[in-house]
Amino acid sequence: EDQVTQSPEALRLQEGESSSLNCSYTVSGLRGLFWYRQDPGKGPEFLFTLYSAGEEKEKERLKATLTKKESFLHITAPKPEDSATYLCAVKGAAGNKLTFGGGTRVLVKP
Amino acid sequence: DTAVSQTPKYLVTQMGNDKSIKCEQNLGHDTMYWYKQDSKKFLKIMFSYNNKELIINETVPNRFSPKSPDKAHLNLHINSLELGDSAVYFCASTHRGSEAFFGQGTRLTVV
Repeated sequence: EDQVTQSPEALRLQEGESSSLNCSYTVSGLRGLFWYRQDPGKGPEFLFTLYSAGEEKEKERLKATLTKKESFLHITAPKPEDSATYLCAVKGAAGNKLTFGGGTRVLVKP
Repeated sequence: DTAVSQTPKYLVTQMGNDKSIKCEQNLGHDTMYWYKQDSKKFLKIMFSYNNKELIINETVPNRFSPKSPDKAHLNLHINSLELGDSAVYFCASTHRGSEAFFGQGTRLTVV
């Protein structure tokens, strides 16, 4: 069974203080690792898909990287508007579904 | 021009009632899903339909019954609601295994 663990559960940052979120996973036949952002009262919003170890993707202040066992979401010089819950999910070879981690709640204070 | 829309956004009902949540996507996607997000924010797959055919049916009480009248719609009917059914239910859609697009969620509260 696919499993995803995210750490830390919560992260408080000062504006401009860079940090990284971790997503550890076990999956049979990775068909994609996905990062989403979720704001309170809203649905998850897609950020990135990574398919193979060594792959990296960037969007504004966010950069996602992937190894064979984990993925990192790096937040560089965050701003208060980056405050959200960041969700990691994997899709394995077994089925057409996403298995999510518990998320990391990020709060960026001005 | 919302991509994945769910109704209602909020639903408060008494134990034992039957209720439905509706979902529509205008993205032309071929696969739709229902996910449940509990109080600890874990998102778990419940059902998946591909071209109106049920392809994923996780361990969900049979009080929950999905229905897909066409590729663009996936509804969720819940019978005999229980307190433990309180959660946020998300509809999502994908096309050929691409990233999933989620609706805004339906917050169900059973009292």
